[in-house]
Amino acid sequence: GAVVSQHPSWVICKSGTSVKIECRSLDFQATTMFWYRQFPKQSLMLMATSNEGSKATYEQGVEKDKFLINHASLTLSTLTVTSAHPEDSSFYICSATLAGDSYNEQFFGPGTRLTVL
Amino acid sequence: KQEVTQIPAALSVPEGENLVLNCSFTDSAIYNLQWFRQDPGKGLTSLLLIQSSQREQTSGRLNASLDKSSGRSTLYIAASQPGDSATYLCAVLPHNAGNMLTFGGGTRLMVKP
Repeated sequence: GAVVSQHPSWVICKSGTSVKIECRSLDFQATTMFWYRQFPKQSLMLMATSNEGSKATYEQGVEKDKFLINHASLTLSTLTVTSAHPEDSSFYICSATLAGDSYNEQFFGPGTRLTVL
Repeated sequence: KQEVTQIPAALSVPEGENLVLNCSFTDSAIYNLQWFRQDPGKGLTSLLLIQSSQREQTSGRLNASLDKSSGRSTLYIAASQPGDSATYLCAVLPHNAGNMLTFGGGTRLMVKP
């Protein structure tokens, strides 16, 4: 149980285009989802916290107009990278917590590798 | 602000060795601590979760300990195998942080056959 999927697993796009990444909790309801980015040989950096039915909370330095997050249901959150540029190339990982889980354990998706040409 | 540090940053050992990975955190007011494994180009696999009230957790050849007062956790891997080669990340969940994990920089482990 507690499986999180991401789609696509990798994407290559031209500079200036927008890319949407989906994060789904497959077998549980997730009231909260998190979006991270990871540069090569670095650890994960939290970008934003996404709560179902409300606006996402962005970390300092993350442009909310560039990284649009939508958490429309208890099983789906999307991250849209708008007007992508080469510096946005990174590994994007989402995670989710189970609704009502007292352990507050986060379950991570397999990640999406974005390459902007 | 919570800071998490992992030492060493990289480790190479021959197969069969027992090894210890270290994680330290600056603020002891944590809710839990998790150890993850990440293979190159892949997402995170949760290995062990230790609640703040617990001292250790075990899963197979893995044992994680937590000393909250001193801000330390260790991941012990017994009888290491080449398949254990990966990056190991620890992350703490502070109290009142809205479920926001703080990650360490990771330890890249290479187990040589």
